[in-house]
Amino acid sequence: GAVVSQHPSRVICKSGTSVKIECRSLDFQATTMFWYRQFPKQSLMLMATSNEGSKATYEQGVEKDKFLINHASLTLSTLTVTSAHPEDSSFYICSASGRDYNSPLHFGNGTRLTVT
Amino acid sequence: GQNIDQPTEMTATEGAIVQINCTYQTSGFNGLFWYQQHAGEAPTFLSYNVLDGLEEKGRFSSFLSRSKGYSYLLLKELQMKDSASYLCAVRKNSGNTPLVFGKGTRLSVIA
Repeated sequence: GAVVSQHPSRVICKSGTSVKIECRSLDFQATTMFWYRQFPKQSLMLMATSNEGSKATYEQGVEKDKFLINHASLTLSTLTVTSAHPEDSSFYICSASGRDYNSPLHFGNGTRLTVT
Repeated sequence: GQNIDQPTEMTATEGAIVQINCTYQTSGFNGLFWYQQHAGEAPTFLSYNVLDGLEEKGRFSSFLSRSKGYSYLLLKELQMKDSASYLCAVRKNSGNTPLVFGKGTRLSVIA
């Protein structure tokens, strides 16, 4: 089955620094990747939709200059949290979809970000 | 706007059957998905309905009624490892579009 790999699984950084999270599709070409964020005991909230070779589409309320998304190839998308603050501490999860639009989304294992 | 409702918590006994309901009101509909999520982990796909009726996959079944905006996930022969959150999600549009998630139902399976 489809596999999505996300790295790192856990990161602790100091306030004001930047953190890059990678999301890779291992056995299929991901034309679209979706980035979600989940706070404790909350639902997954969509942050942005990333299409290969084009600019990401951000959801309302998500700062595109703070959460930089790059989708340079069909197997890799990155999310960079710039100038992180403690309120950015969350569980970030990527998901990928291939060319079969009716298939379910497959999720990476998530990245637990803690900003101190 | 989008509204996907499911109970916050449920408790059931090992070996029993439990039904987790989900109602949705979304601006579009192109499929309803159920995911299981253990604490601190990413969601894993369980079941998917795009047409009305019942989809059965082993111990898990999911039902959809589009006219009622209603779905349920049925878990049979409950095991302790089934203790997790169960997320109902709707794909609003066709094509490569994201899922909109409910808040999840935290299921506790007790002996």
